[in-house]
Amino acid sequence: GQNIDQPTEMTATEGAIVQINCTYQTSGFNGLFWYQQHAGEAPTFLSYNVLDGLEEKGRFSSFLSRSKGYSYLLLKELQMKDSASYLCAVRDQTGANNLFFGTGTRLTVIP
Amino acid sequence: EPEVTQTPSHQVTQMGQEVILRCVPISNHLYFYWYRQILGQKVEFLVSFYNNEISEKSEIFDDQFSVERPDGSNFTLKIRSTKLEDSAMYFCASSENPQGRYTFGSGTRLTVV
Repeated sequence: GQNIDQPTEMTATEGAIVQINCTYQTSGFNGLFWYQQHAGEAPTFLSYNVLDGLEEKGRFSSFLSRSKGYSYLLLKELQMKDSASYLCAVRDQTGANNLFFGTGTRLTVIP
Repeated sequence: EPEVTQTPSHQVTQMGQEVILRCVPISNHLYFYWYRQILGQKVEFLVSFYNNEISEKSEIFDDQFSVERPDGSNFTLKIRSTKLEDSAMYFCASSENPQGRYTFGSGTRLTVV
């Protein structure tokens, strides 16, 4: 089975840094993705980790520890447009390597 | 950047009717997926498709659902005898290979009344 946990909601101030955590317990592991989703829209790809460590991509960074079943997404220099849901998704190792999503973290950026 | 296209963007149907949701994956992608998201809930895996057959399906994907690749470009999800609880956003996604990232379409909002 797949169990992926994220905080439901977070609030942060424009210009600040925010860290969104994700813990997972899955029957297999073949990579972890972070997606951004604005209300009523499709998830859009942010980052991918398959090995332990930090992946940096502009204002966004993602970290993975496979031994701890833990990842975080770090957003720097927050902008109002970063208000969205952030979805943690784990790809399994069975069958078609499908993605399984957490419930998402709704981030609100305030002035 | 290449896109996954879904039509229609919004579909309203009466309970018991059949609906077909359409998707055009990215042209060089070989792996196709359907996901759904009930309002306020998480994105849930429905089915994956490769080489003209289903690779894997979830418990949600029962006999009411079917998928098809009727030609070289379209990938469809058919829902027979729709129920109120089928109301959700349905997302199509594709990837070039099993290790690649998924690209999601903009979704079809299905409302069953």
